Amino acid sequence: DVVMTQSPLSLPVTLGQPASISCRSSQSLVHSDGNTYLSWFQQRPGQSPRRLIYRVSNRDSGVPDRFSGSGSGTDFTLKISRVEAEDIGVYYCMQGTHWLGDLFGQGTELEIK
Amino acid sequence: EVQLVQSGGGLVQPGGSLRLSCAASGFTFSGHWMHWVRQAPGKGLVWVSSVFSDGSRAAYADSVKGRFTISRDTAKNTLYLQINSLRAEDTAVYYCTGNSVDNFDYWGQGTPVTVSS
Repeated sequence: DVVMTQSPLSLPVTLGQPASISCRSSQSLVHSDGNTYLSWFQQRPGQSPRRLIYRVSNRDSGVPDRFSGSGSGTDFTLKISRVEAEDIGVYYCMQGTHWLGDLFGQGTELEIK
Repeated sequence: EVQLVQSGGGLVQPGGSLRLSCAASGFTFSGHWMHWVRQAPGKGLVWVSSVFSDGSRAAYADSVKGRFTISRDTAKNTLYLQINSLRAEDTAVYYCTGNSVDNFDYWGQGTPVTVSS
């Protein structure tokens, strides 16, 4: 089964500064159809998760352009160019290439310093 | 506007059963995979089960296989999760989520399930 590992698990940041979260998979996430099904989700306190990024780097509608995704194969990154107060919450990477085992990473809690 | 409205959670004794429902509107329910994801108190997101667009195929996490059954009623635009033989470790908020452009585009509001005597 694929294992998704995020780092760091806790990320204190200063407002206006950049932030970066890493996600590594134990197997390549390149699907046989050529797509890489790696998504990023944000979960604000007390809310349902919300997808931000799909297929590595595609931003969902309504997601601010300060969020960006990159990576390939087994290594992926979510970047926030300038953190705002509304960005606090937990961020999860999720793989949809191998539908067995844990699809989600452990989560990274973004907090304001 | 896409909405996934969940119902059916609650407090149940160990060994008991529940049926969770998720009513969808605002998108082509019949054309896409649907899923259940759960989140234990203070923990992360865990995939539970998925059902193919026409209901012909389903997949389950090992931890729920044989106890949970996912299904869908296209006429009612509703997703279900039948949960049997409940254990304390099944205590969680359960989210329904559906595909559109990719995986897990839309999410319900979550419904809490508490297993306790």
